[in-house]
Amino acid sequence: IAGITQAPTSQILAAGRRMTLRCTQDMRHNAMYWYRQDLGLGLRLIHYSNTAGTTGKGEVPDGYSVSRANTDDFPLTLASAVPSQTSVYFCASSEDTSGGDNEQFFGPGTRLTVL
Amino acid sequence: GQNIDQPTEMTATEGAIVQINCTYQTSGFNGLFWYQQHAGEAPTFLSYNVLDGLEEKGRFSSFLSRSKGYSYLLLKELQMKDSASYLCAVSDSNYQLIWGAGTKLIIKP
Repeated sequence: IAGITQAPTSQILAAGRRMTLRCTQDMRHNAMYWYRQDLGLGLRLIHYSNTAGTTGKGEVPDGYSVSRANTDDFPLTLASAVPSQTSVYFCASSEDTSGGDNEQFFGPGTRLTVL
Repeated sequence: GQNIDQPTEMTATEGAIVQINCTYQTSGFNGLFWYQQHAGEAPTFLSYNVLDGLEEKGRFSSFLSRSKGYSYLLLKELQMKDSASYLCAVSDSNYQLIWGAGTKLIIKP
């Protein structure tokens, strides 16, 4: 099935623990993104990747890291989770980043609670 | 700074028409997107405008005025399944999307 998958669907995590959120797409899209969505706020970009092998920082990158070893996978790692990282995390992809009309396709999201 | 403003919540009646407004101030402009997001689900693409004017797609239309930094999403013949949040996002000078907080649309029978 074409699209983006994320794992886990939800997770409760103790503060200070390390956690990796997984994201895989099978559309052969060049660009991938990680967002967090909090009540009352718009989606905020954490990190992005324009193509395999490259990554960049978004609006709220602190406390998060990413890697893009291949086209399909774009994991997001919280090195030492804190309660303020409680959020819903969405992974997205688009065919490219140049050109304004690049529709982003979203995964189903991961609901993360840090206690 | 960059800013996208849209109403927090709107209520409309089944079968009616509703207009959801979005105003923006961004560093550069490479188009404006509207997405729909049902509760607990991922956002899905509705429309894209880069030139001034109205784009119609079935029951949904989207309008853009670049000189006014303004867009609206028009939903006609409202159905209960249209109850969702509607997200406005602007592609800035770096082709990054800047997102509004979303407008929660409640449809009443």
